[in-house]
Amino acid sequence: EAGVAQSPRYKIIEKRQSVAFWCNPISGHATLYWYQQILGQGPKLLIQFQNNGVVDDSQLPKDRFSAERLKGVDSTLKIQPAKLEDSAVYLCASSLPGTSGINEQFFGPGTRLTVL
Amino acid sequence: AQSVAQPEDQVNVAEGNPLTVKCTYSVSGNPYLFWYVQYPNRGLQFLLKYITGDNLVKGSYGFEAEFNKSQTSFHLKKPSALVSDSALYFCAVRDTGGNNRLAFGKGNQVVVIP
Repeated sequence: EAGVAQSPRYKIIEKRQSVAFWCNPISGHATLYWYQQILGQGPKLLIQFQNNGVVDDSQLPKDRFSAERLKGVDSTLKIQPAKLEDSAVYLCASSLPGTSGINEQFFGPGTRLTVL
Repeated sequence: AQSVAQPEDQVNVAEGNPLTVKCTYSVSGNPYLFWYVQYPNRGLQFLLKYITGDNLVKGSYGFEAEFNKSQTSFHLKKPSALVSDSALYFCAVRDTGGNNRLAFGKGNQVVVIP
């Protein structure tokens, strides 16, 4: 079974530039998550999708971050404009559908973003 | 809001010795508890979870964890550590009494010394 795919693996940009990350979840996983993992910290949820609908985006900085999952499969996370504090690893995860919250999440390898 | 605490930054253990990684949690309702492991340059991998039932949960790679409601703890254990167990371990909790968001601890670096 193929895992969660993410690209690019690494990205270096200057502050105020824009960047986009792509995620392809495991086939059949209706729930998709984007996390931000700052060095030395655990992952923090940015946004959760159920199919193509947003379930939780309460921790997404909406003035600069946006995400979409148009057809309920692939997803894109965008930052515009980037700030120095956005330097982090951006993790995508997926899980089987269900609102009970008991399903484990499967994580991709992440995109390491460096903002100079 | 739900939270977990992983009090130790790094756990050093000799190969073959028992390994314990500590985790305590805070929730308003009942907890769903998870352990994940992260190897260098790779995403997190699921190890085990506690939802309900038996307080001792067995997971992947010989790991187990014990849910202790009175101490609000969910420590990860392995009877005999391997060098290949060296990695970053994350405890996470979902609060059934609040939002369904998974809150992760800061992680513990485990170093198994040959």
